[in-house]
Amino acid sequence: GEDVEQSLFLSVREGDSSVINCTYTDSSSTYLYWYKQEPGAGLQLLTYIFSNMDMKQDQRLTVLLNKKDKHLSLRIADTQTGDSAIYFCAESAGYSSASKIIFGSGTRLSIRP
Amino acid sequence: KAGVTQTPRYLIKTRGQQVTLSCSPISGHRSVSWYQQTPGQGLQFLFEYFSETQRNKGNFPGRFSGRQFSNSRSEMNVSTLELGDSALYLCASSWAETANTGELFFGEGSRLTVL
Repeated sequence: GEDVEQSLFLSVREGDSSVINCTYTDSSSTYLYWYKQEPGAGLQLLTYIFSNMDMKQDQRLTVLLNKKDKHLSLRIADTQTGDSAIYFCAESAGYSSASKIIFGSGTRLSIRP
Repeated sequence: KAGVTQTPRYLIKTRGQQVTLSCSPISGHRSVSWYQQTPGQGLQFLFEYFSETQRNKGNFPGRFSGRQFSNSRSEMNVSTLELGDSALYLCASSWAETANTGELFFGEGSRLTVL
């Protein structure tokens, strides 16, 4: 079945760039998402990319999609302490149903001073 | 516009008890889905409701149930609680009617501790 995999932890120094990686298996994925979960809160959509794009930039965030390798990455430039959170990669084949959105296990990003 | 509201935020129960959690979606959203989040299993899909009907169900035992009311508010119930049911239960709402990005709007969750 469909699967989304991410590494569990990432530690970066404040001011450096963070790169969070994700691989997925469903070749029919239409949308790929990055959600952010801050401590004690629910998930919040950070950004998403259509499968026919290979890059999307939004201020400090850059999403890269390699459809051939089914690899998605999120780059956060100039990482700040407020970026400490769990980042979830998710993919969907575009159905209008939440059950069809497959989430990864989340990558916990911690920031070193 | 108010976000997704979940109540209660925290609760403690003992094994064998039952619990009911509530979720009020964003106004106009007709789809409500529930997730269980644990450190070991990540985010697991429980079920989705749309227009008062359960549309999809995840791989959870029958002790987990839910319903949706005509105003789109949803409740989930867990009966005969087990220690392993301790988790953060997240509710998410979405438009889920027309072709869209499928963005889910999450509440802050209800943290259940079973002793």
